[in-house]
Amino acid sequence: QITLKESGPTLVKPTQTLTLTCTFSGFSLSTSGVGVGWIRQPPGKALEWLGIIYWDDNKRYSPSVKSRLTITKDTSKNQVVLIMTDMDPVDTATYYCTRSSYYDSSGSFDYWGQGSPVTVSS
Amino acid sequence: EVVMTQSPATLAVSPGERATLSCRASQSVSSNLAWYQQKPGQAPRLLIYGASTRATGIPARFSGSGSGKEFTLTISSLQSEDFAVYYCQQYNNWPRAFGQGTKVEI
Repeated sequence: QITLKESGPTLVKPTQTLTLTCTFSGFSLSTSGVGVGWIRQPPGKALEWLGIIYWDDNKRYSPSVKSRLTITKDTSKNQVVLIMTDMDPVDTATYYCTRSSYYDSSGSFDYWGQGSPVTVSS
Repeated sequence: EVVMTQSPATLAVSPGERATLSCRASQSVSSNLAWYQQKPGQAPRLLIYGASTRATGIPARFSGSGSGKEFTLTISSLQSEDFAVYYCQQYNNWPRAFGQGTKVEI
């Protein structure tokens, strides 16, 4: 059974750094073709892809946040960490971590965490 | 960047009816297109990948078609649990991109 779960603060102040951890089970991020990505959704709005890290440590980021976003992995702990600097109220959203597998679902996002709501406010 | 455009924004249908949702890419994404369902307060769920392959456990009433720039999600006979927001997403190009969603309501 594959599960992912996000954890981190629910409230951050403007200009602060957000750190979210995705802890997963049921798969390994050392398996070829597997990646863990981050997607966010502002209240009442659409999904926005942020970035992804792959089994081989290849990373891709959305241009809209690339200068502020870092994604790292700890394969031994089955964790992926999102670090977003200089947070702004427009970054208020629910943040999801997701799994991507080229072999199981051709690279789409087949498993999702429950989401971690983050509010940016002073 | 590839822009994904979904239509209509809202689709009003009755249980038992057929629903047809459209998704258009600003450039070809081959068949690297997925559909997700999201219910209020829940995470999205993968329905279709590869434009037409149902994900594990997805009922046969959900079907996807298309390639290149034009895609369709069809729900053959709407059940009460199908009323939700549906998103398309391309994974052919970087950055990955979602459409703005289609809300299927009664």
